[in-house]
This record gives sequence, C-alpha cells and structure tokens, in this order.
Amino acid sequence: EAAVTQSPRNKVTVTGGNVTLSCRQTNSHNYMYWYRQDTGHGLRLIHYSYGAGNLQIGDVPDGYKATRTTQEDFFLLLELASPSQTSLYFCASSDTGTPNSDYTFGSGTRLLVI
Amino acid sequence: GDSVTQTEGLVTLTEGLPVMLNCTYQTIYSNPFLFWYVQHLNESPRLLLKSFTDNKRTEHQGFHATLHKSSSSFHLQKSSAQLSDSALYYCALSNYQLIWGSGTKLIIKP
Repeated sequence: EAAVTQSPRNKVTVTGGNVTLSCRQTNSHNYMYWYRQDTGHGLRLIHYSYGAGNLQIGDVPDGYKATRTTQEDFFLLLELASPSQTSLYFCASSDTGTPNSDYTFGSGTRLLVI
Repeated sequence: GDSVTQTEGLVTLTEGLPVMLNCTYQTIYSNPFLFWYVQHLNESPRLLLKSFTDNKRTEHQGFHATLHKSSSSFHLQKSSAQLSDSALYYCALSNYQLIWGSGTKLIIKP
C-alpha cells in the first residue's frame, strides 16, 4: 500500500511568515497533489504535479507555490502567510493520471496563521 | 465544466436505520469514473468504493452504490447504519483529475 507522509503535523506561524509543508510518497506514484480542507468548502486543489520538475496550477493557487524536487517529494510554500491560509492541508498521490486512479492521502498538516 | 453535487451538508440518523447519501454529477465524458471517499474524524480521506459501469451495483464494507448514467447519479447507501459510520463522505468524479463534491457529514446517533 502506498504511503504518503506529511510534515509537520501542526504548524503555527505569524502573518507574513514563511512556511514550507513537506510531502513524501514511497510508492513511485507519478501524480502528487496539494489540497486544503475547510469546513463548508470540502477539498480544494491548490497545485499538483505529474513528475519531478513539473508543476500544474489547481483551483485555488493564489498565495501558494509548490515544487516537486523528486518523484517522491512535493513541497508547498507559503512565502507571505496570511490568516486566510489557516487550514488543514492534505497531500495526496496517485499512480497515473487515468480516470480510475485512486488517491492516497497523507495524514494532513494543520496550519494556523496568527 | 465538470461538477459534483452533494445536496446534503449534514445527515443525522439513528443507529440501525438505512443510509442514503446523494450524489449527482455533470460531465462531458460518456464514461466517467465515480468515487466515494470517507474521512473519519482526525483522519485523512480514503477510498470507499468506485465505479464506471452503468447500472452495476458496487459494494464495499457494507456500503453500496450504483452508477446511473441516465440520471447522472451515484448515491451511497447502506441498509443499517452503525455508530462507526459517522464520518465525512465525499463523492468525486474523475476526468483525469478528481472533481470533488462538497461533502456530506454523516452523524449516527444511538
């Protein structure tokens, strides 16, 4: 079973601060995704990637950057954090981009921007 | 564009009663894949079941759903709710990425 590991589990930062969320998957999946989850909004796609060095924009990319350094590692960067970015962030991976691909999620990172 | 609609934000049921969570979708694709994911409290979403076959019942862990292309629906059902079914349920449509519904929170009371 694919494993997706996120770090840190919890993060508190101040407005204007710099935050990096990390995600590593260990099953050689091609696709990786960053989502935020907020009550009333469900899961919203921030960025995704289909391989090392590739980056695709999701539905709510403003204020976020992402980088896929290797097949395994996908990072989400908040360079000037704002309170509106307080959320639960999930990383996910899938084997291929075909329609029947399952997503495997990490345990999430809870971010508080004060 | 493609979309998924879950009309109930919150469903509260008594243990032992049947469960039905609604999911309808819109897509230009003639052969969509539909998914149900479940997320228990303080956990991450995980796949519950999926289907792309029209009018075929798909079952997993006591839940079942049938894709009906004629009505663009993929409702999730269970004959008898258990306390452990309390969770957030997402319906999703795949068009090479997952298009997520807004989720239905299911609370089962004793």
